[in-house]
Amino acid sequence: KQEVTQIPAALSVPEGENLVLNCSFTDSAIYNLQWFRQDPGKGLTSLLLIQSSQREQTSGRLNASLDKSSGRSTLYIAASQPGDSATYLCAVRRGTSYGKLTFGQGTILTVHP
Amino acid sequence: DGGITQSPKYLFRKEGQNVTLSCEQNLNHDAMYWYRQDPGQGLRLIYYSQIVNDFQKGDIAEGYSVSREKKESFPLTVTSAQKNPTAFYLCASSIRTSGGLTDTQYFGPGTRLTVL
Repeated sequence: KQEVTQIPAALSVPEGENLVLNCSFTDSAIYNLQWFRQDPGKGLTSLLLIQSSQREQTSGRLNASLDKSSGRSTLYIAASQPGDSATYLCAVRRGTSYGKLTFGQGTILTVHP
Repeated sequence: DGGITQSPKYLFRKEGQNVTLSCEQNLNHDAMYWYRQDPGQGLRLIYYSQIVNDFQKGDIAEGYSVSREKKESFPLTVTSAQKNPTAFYLCASSIRTSGGLTDTQYFGPGTRLTVL
């Protein structure tokens, strides 16, 4: 059974810091991995999707890497801003084309001015 | 505007009642999903549908039912058999591609269900 763990559970940093969020998964037979952002009481917004054959994806100040063999992904946020404050969730798609997503419990990020 | 809508935003239910949560999308996506989110936890899959008139149980389907009569709509019924229904419910949709290269899931704003 696939299990996804995110560390840390919560993170508070001053504005401007570069930071790293971690995601680990137990079964390396994944199809892809997604990082999402969730604002309080709202739905999820997809940030980055990395296919199993890829090593990383970048979008603006965000960079996500994937090491499938070790079961790890990291989300790097450069020059953090208060507007980055949210819960960040990673999810892995199981190893078939129409496979289901397994989510981690999320990292709550607070960026203070 | 294209997107996913869920209604209502807040829903209160008395014990023993069935309630239905609405999910509509105009993205022309074939696949739709229902997730449940509890405080401090990730999302757990309840049901999913890859195509009209077909749906599959997810990891926590007990006490829930769905239908997929139209491509745009995937309503979720929370039945009285669901023992702990208070949660945040999220609907999502994605393109159903044979190659599977772009299957980002797009989420609705959610419905918060509270059992009184």
